[in-house]
Amino acid sequence: AQSVTQLGSHVSVSEGALVLLRCNYSSSVPPYLFWYVQYPNQGLQLLLKYTSAATLVKGINGFEAEFKKSETSFHLTKPSAHMSDAAEYFCAVSGSQAGTALIFGKGTTLSVSS
Amino acid sequence: GAVVSQHPSWVICKSGTSVKIECRSLDFQATTMFWYRQFPKQSLMLMATSNEGSKATYEQGVEKDKFLINHASLTLSTLTVTSAHPEDSSFYICSARQSSGSSYNEQFFGPGTRLTVL
Repeated sequence: AQSVTQLGSHVSVSEGALVLLRCNYSSSVPPYLFWYVQYPNQGLQLLLKYTSAATLVKGINGFEAEFKKSETSFHLTKPSAHMSDAAEYFCAVSGSQAGTALIFGKGTTLSVSS
Repeated sequence: GAVVSQHPSWVICKSGTSVKIECRSLDFQATTMFWYRQFPKQSLMLMATSNEGSKATYEQGVEKDKFLINHASLTLSTLTVTSAHPEDSSFYICSARQSSGSSYNEQFFGPGTRLTVL
């Protein structure tokens, strides 16, 4: 069985500050891990993914995440927040087998203040 | 590339009627499509996995007779909400898994369909 826990349902940062969104996973098989962003009334956009290659994954819009097996974590970071980063962020896990569905965390709302 | 569309983007219907939502992969073939449901300010809950040419696999607690899924081609899956009731009001999102190519096994999400049942 697989699951994802996102710590903190709401994170607030100032523009220009570091963004850190936490995600811990549980998986009985080698996991694939994903971070998605969702803007209001829109679908999900993939930020980045880990698929057993490099443990530090760089994504779009300046985001990156590091896979730490010993901590079962896949935290999302961005050095400097921008107002346009305000959105809902979802961490997700799936198995590496073809056709495996994504299991999503509950999401973290990121607010950015000027 | 790898674009998934949903139609309609929003729909309002009366209680007791049926609503069909289409999910299309526009520039790739998708052997597998997934249907998710999202309540306001909550996460996505997987409803069912749809494989082209075979019956969908429903998650526990999802009524297969109420949420009919058809995946008749490699680019189209449909979700029909039968005899809709207000509690079926939600945001429905589909995703499609690319069958081949450089993004193999990656899922691409549609923009979602907002269903409101009066």
